[in-house]
Amino acid sequence: EVQLVESGGGLVQPGGSLRLSCAASGFTFSSYEMDWVRQAPGKGLEWVAHISSSGDTIYYADSVKGRFTISRDNAMKSLYLQMNSLRGEDTAVYYCARDAYNDLWSGYWDCWGQGTPVTVSS
Amino acid sequence: SHVLTQPPSVSVAPGQTARIPCGGKNIGSKSVQWYQQKPGQAPVLVVYDDSDRPSGIPERFSGSNSGNTATLTISRVEAGDEADYYCQLWDTSTDHGVFGGGTKLTVL
Repeated sequence: EVQLVESGGGLVQPGGSLRLSCAASGFTFSSYEMDWVRQAPGKGLEWVAHISSSGDTIYYADSVKGRFTISRDNAMKSLYLQMNSLRGEDTAVYYCARDAYNDLWSGYWDCWGQGTPVTVSS
Repeated sequence: SHVLTQPPSVSVAPGQTARIPCGGKNIGSKSVQWYQQKPGQAPVLVVYDDSDRPSGIPERFSGSNSGNTATLTISRVEAGDEADYYCQLWDTSTDHGVFGGGTKLTVL
């Protein structure tokens, strides 16, 4: 069974840092491009960051560029999101999502984790 | 960059057809996806590449895309279809993922 499980969310003060993890199982993680998508309370979905299967191509939303870093460890079948200089507007549920294509890239996602909540507040 | 516009809400009676539009400049030239999200759950892909359905998605869900509007159509609506629906595309000019604001489908 294909599964993505996020962890690492929690309460952090403004200006603080947090590292999210996403553990993959049930598929060949190293063959898939991966993304992070977030959803603020009561709001819509917002794409955050993308990483290619090898990790050599990375894109960020303008709202997080320079503060967030996406990375992956294919040997550990894990995806990460390092979040620095956190702001109140970063409060959201963060989902990791698998690109729909194996060994290619589609720009959309066929498998999502259950999400991990991040709250930025003093 | 692309901006995708969806109506905040659509209401439909059971058994009727729901149509959820997603507006964007020349969106017909892009590949559009639709996701269904029920309260407290992760999104689920219901239509990809404008009109294709992933395995396990009922044939009642269909999509179209032309000009400046993509549309998700749900035929013979059931109570279980009540959810938020989001359109999405990848903007190749900015290398950003883009979502519409979402539409809450209410089954009367």
